[in-house]
Amino acid sequence: QKEVEQNSGPLSVPEGAIASLNCTYSDRGSQSFFWYRQYSGKSPELIMSIYSNGDKEDGRFTAQLNKASQYVSLLIRDSQPSDSATYLCAVNGGYQLIWGAGTKLIIKP
Amino acid sequence: GAGVSQSPSNKVTEKGKDVELRCDPISGHTALYWYRQSLGQGLEFLIYFQGNSAPDKSGLPSDRFSAERTGGSVSTLTIQRTQQEDSAVYLCASNQPGLDPSYTFGSGTRLTVV
Repeated sequence: QKEVEQNSGPLSVPEGAIASLNCTYSDRGSQSFFWYRQYSGKSPELIMSIYSNGDKEDGRFTAQLNKASQYVSLLIRDSQPSDSATYLCAVNGGYQLIWGAGTKLIIKP
Repeated sequence: GAGVSQSPSNKVTEKGKDVELRCDPISGHTALYWYRQSLGQGLEFLIYFQGNSAPDKSGLPSDRFSAERTGGSVSTLTIQRTQQEDSAVYLCASNQPGLDPSYTFGSGTRLTVV
């Protein structure tokens, strides 16, 4: 059974600090990795995708992928209260994405 | 359309009634997915449609749930004889797997069974 694991949190981070979110996956054949953000009462929205080992930066967000260790992480620099949300990790598992249960992130002013 | 459209946005129904939820995917997206999300929980896969292939119904929780996709576009999820445990947000997503495996979600239908 293909699985994606995330710490459910909540992860509490002071405003302005770096938030680090982690995800591990079981399928070594996975090639596509995604981070989605879900605000309370809203649907998930894609914030980062990564396909190659290493880092990918987009503004305050950096996705990191290590296929050998089967983990993918998301760093949020200069965290803002508006970053408070649940972050979902998704990994391709054949023809559809396999989803983690999400990590709830709380940014404290 | 510009995005994935779901209707209604909210539905309150009495226990035992049937409900239909609608999803209109992004134009050109061949794959369509239905998920259910209970309060504070993760995404629960329900069903997947890809082009003209037979749908993957492996996530449907009981035979009270069914879905169809007409003309490769609009999909309807039907729940018969609704129960209180069916109360959740039903999310639809679509993508074009050959081009971009990421999903675009609709805004969801919040179903409340009373």
